[in-house]
Amino acid sequence: GAGVSQSPSNKVTEKGKDVELRCDPISGHTALYWYRQSLGQGLEFLIYFQGNSAPDKSGLPSDRFSAERTGGSVSTLTIQRTQQEDSAVYLCASSLGGQPSNTQYFGPGTRLTVL
Amino acid sequence: GQQLNQSPQSMFIQEGEDVSMNCTSSSIFNTWLWYKQEPGEGPVLLIALYKAGELTSNGRLTAQFGITRKDSFLNISASIPSDVGIYFCAGPDQTGANNLFFGTGTRLTVIP
Repeated sequence: GAGVSQSPSNKVTEKGKDVELRCDPISGHTALYWYRQSLGQGLEFLIYFQGNSAPDKSGLPSDRFSAERTGGSVSTLTIQRTQQEDSAVYLCASSLGGQPSNTQYFGPGTRLTVL
Repeated sequence: GQQLNQSPQSMFIQEGEDVSMNCTSSSIFNTWLWYKQEPGEGPVLLIALYKAGELTSNGRLTAQFGITRKDSFLNISASIPSDVGIYFCAGPDQTGANNLFFGTGTRLTVIP
């Protein structure tokens, strides 16, 4: 079966441009997470979707960051007016439910470089 | 905040050696998770621990949930080249949110 997929795998953009990163979760998984991993660091939580509930946006670092999840499946993370400090690997994960006992399965990530 | 500190930051070992790494927190966690991340990939769950004092094995990997709930260790026995990667500890947000907190990772290099 297919795992979590993300696209693009790499994105290079100029400072000030907007970018969209896509995540396709595992079919049937109701929970979807976005994390950011800066070079040499652990993962930093950004946003969480669970079913039709309002997303938990508590990890978004600024209002330039937003995310949507359409139809309870595919999610898009948008970064507006990118800055150099936004350069990182953006990882998406999905799980069967939102409980801590539900294993989060990660995609390969999108490496974003802001010049 | 709920921070996880891992040590060591990096390790260089000979193939066949045993490895030990640990994770500590100033806060109590009710679940401890150990993930491995290989280059260009997302983290993959290795072991999950749900009970203080629990000792769990997965092949050559053994992890323990500290009795204080503030630490955990991961051991790898008889290391092989494919053990190379970054090992992260993680725990769920104890405030009721649904995200995971991750440690900064231990980078393991195995020399054949």
